[in-house]
Amino acid sequence: DAMVIQNPRYQVTQFGKPVTLSCSQTLNHNVMYWYQQKSSQAPKLLFHYYDKDFNNEADTPDNFQSRRPNTSFCFLDIRSPGLGDAAMYLCATSRGGQGHEQYFGPGTRLTVT
Amino acid sequence: AQTVTQSQPEMSVQEAETVTLSCTYDTSESDYYLFWYKQPPSRQMILVIRQEAYKQQNATENRFSVNFQKAAKSFSLKISDSQLGDAAMYFCAYRSVRSGTYKYIFGTGTRLKVLA
Repeated sequence: DAMVIQNPRYQVTQFGKPVTLSCSQTLNHNVMYWYQQKSSQAPKLLFHYYDKDFNNEADTPDNFQSRRPNTSFCFLDIRSPGLGDAAMYLCATSRGGQGHEQYFGPGTRLTVT
Repeated sequence: AQTVTQSQPEMSVQEAETVTLSCTYDTSESDYYLFWYKQPPSRQMILVIRQEAYKQQNATENRFSVNFQKAAKSFSLKISDSQLGDAAMYFCAYRSVRSGTYKYIFGTGTRLKVLA
């Protein structure tokens, strides 16, 4: 089945130690998104790509970076995680055309110790 | 800028009963899409239903239907014959159709509890 895959599902990192989260898709969608979701809150968009075009949200901290080496893969790098960065990180994709819904991965739960 | 508001942080419904979740939004655009997403506990978010703003007919998907009131900028979700598996966070979302726009604006969510 076509899907959005996130690895790892659970990640524990130390305060200040860089961490990378990965997302892959078999849907061949143009757009990929990274969201941060804290407990019982709405997903907060960090950035998204349309193909290789990168779009950063104005309030996304510089600590968060992203790479999309090809259509299928997208990475979220947190350069120096703080305790406030502990959250669920959701990857999503969409076709990019009008009205298309997003498809979400299962998320990576990040713990910062 | 568009905003989406879900004024019910939590709702409860008896199994087999009907429940309505509210969503209002603000936009100056005349054409757009609205979505309801479901996020079960510890499981991934999935699409429940989608509504195109230029269509007057309310969308329906099995037990799920919407009441779309464009003039009032209201987009409520009705769940009929509620089942235990309907327990989840429900998010309302808006998406513009402007060219080059790919962002979805989410509401703060409503936690639905289904009582046996």
